[in-house]
Order: sequence, then C-alpha cells, then structure tokens
Amino acid sequence: SAVISQKPSRDICQRGTSLTIQCQVDSQVTMMFWYRQQPGQSLTLIATANQGSEATYESGFVIDKFPISRPNLTFSTLTVSNMSPEDSSIYLCSAAEPQYGYTFGSGTRLTVV
Amino acid sequence: SQQGEEDPQALSIQEGENATMNCSYKTSINNLQWYRQNSGRGLVHLILIRSNEREKHSGRLRVTLDTSKKSSSLLITASRAADTASYFCATDAVTSGSRLTFGEGTQLTVNP
Repeated sequence: SAVISQKPSRDICQRGTSLTIQCQVDSQVTMMFWYRQQPGQSLTLIATANQGSEATYESGFVIDKFPISRPNLTFSTLTVSNMSPEDSSIYLCSAAEPQYGYTFGSGTRLTVV
Repeated sequence: SQQGEEDPQALSIQEGENATMNCSYKTSINNLQWYRQNSGRGLVHLILIRSNEREKHSGRLRVTLDTSKKSSSLLITASRAADTASYFCATDAVTSGSRLTFGEGTQLTVNP
C-alpha cells in the first residue's frame, strides 16, 4: 500500500491566519481525501481532492474556508483559512486505490489561539 | 452525519481477555474497514471485509459482517496493553464514490 508523508505534524496558529497542510504519497493514487477530527470525536470527511480540477466538498465545508489543491496524482494540500479556535482539530489526508485499500497520513494537530 | 455507530463507546479490560467492538451502519456498502488510532495520531488500517464476505481473520483480529443487519464486529483476542487505542469502523457505501464514512469509535483500554 501507499505511504503518505504529511506535514506539518502539529502547529499552533494565531486566529485570523491560514495554515497549509501538505501530503505527499510515494506512488500515484487514484483518489485523495481530507478529513477533520475534532477533539474527542470521529473523522469527518471534508472533501475529495480531484487531480487537475476543483475539489468536491461535503456538506458543511466550503472552498473559501478549506481550499484544496491536487496538482498531480501524488500530492495534495489543504489550507485552513482565516482560522478561529473552532478550527482546532486533527486534519488527516488519505489516499485510496480501490484494489489495494486506503492509507492515512499521520495527521496534523492544529491549535488555534 | 456519521453513518456508523459503534458500541461500546469505551471498553476497559485486563490483559489476556478478549475485546469485542460492534459497528452498525445504514446504507448498502461495498466494504467495511476497521482502523486503529493511538492517542490522536494517524490511522492504521487493520482489516477490510467486503460485502460478500461474512468473516475475516488477521492474526489476533476477527471481523464479522452481517449485511442483513447492517452490522459488523471486531474481536481482538488475547489482548495486550499495547492494544490500548481508539478503534473505528468505516464504510465504503455503494453510492459513496470510495468516500469513507466513519463510526464514532470505541476507546479500548487494556490494563496490564
């Protein structure tokens, strides 16, 4: 299965600023996803990162707040924009190859102060 | 909203005992997966069971799937303190386009 390098692993940010999280996969993958995990809760899908086109967002998530890029089949970024303390969460990327399964990055623990 | 519901929310057992976690879901699925997460870190894939399978084993793990009841269980046998973690089920629904929906998770504590 694919191996994902996600960075940064953690950050403390001031409210009103933005943070970009990167995920690099060691092989080409068909699909990439971004999830949010709020403190003490399960994972919620933010969006599907589409290669070469706009991401597909889930209900409750919008492009202006969570812009996503996927310039090729091995790399994607998620930006958390105009942050507030409510954005404090773990953000995880995932890569999927239907015949091989899913792999997750190690997560970015974001604290907004 | 989360499709999956897991129970129990928390489970505390002694080393050597077996741990059983249950997951229920609402729609037709292609497969169901179980993941482990240590202390809010990344997810580790444990096992995938397809909709046409009823039981699967991997080492000390046993997963069952009952599509008529839309439920699955994860059994960890002979538990160890190192098994302490959160366990999540995730479903790949037929209409999801490979997007996973996660259950609420079970926090397992194995006491030495």
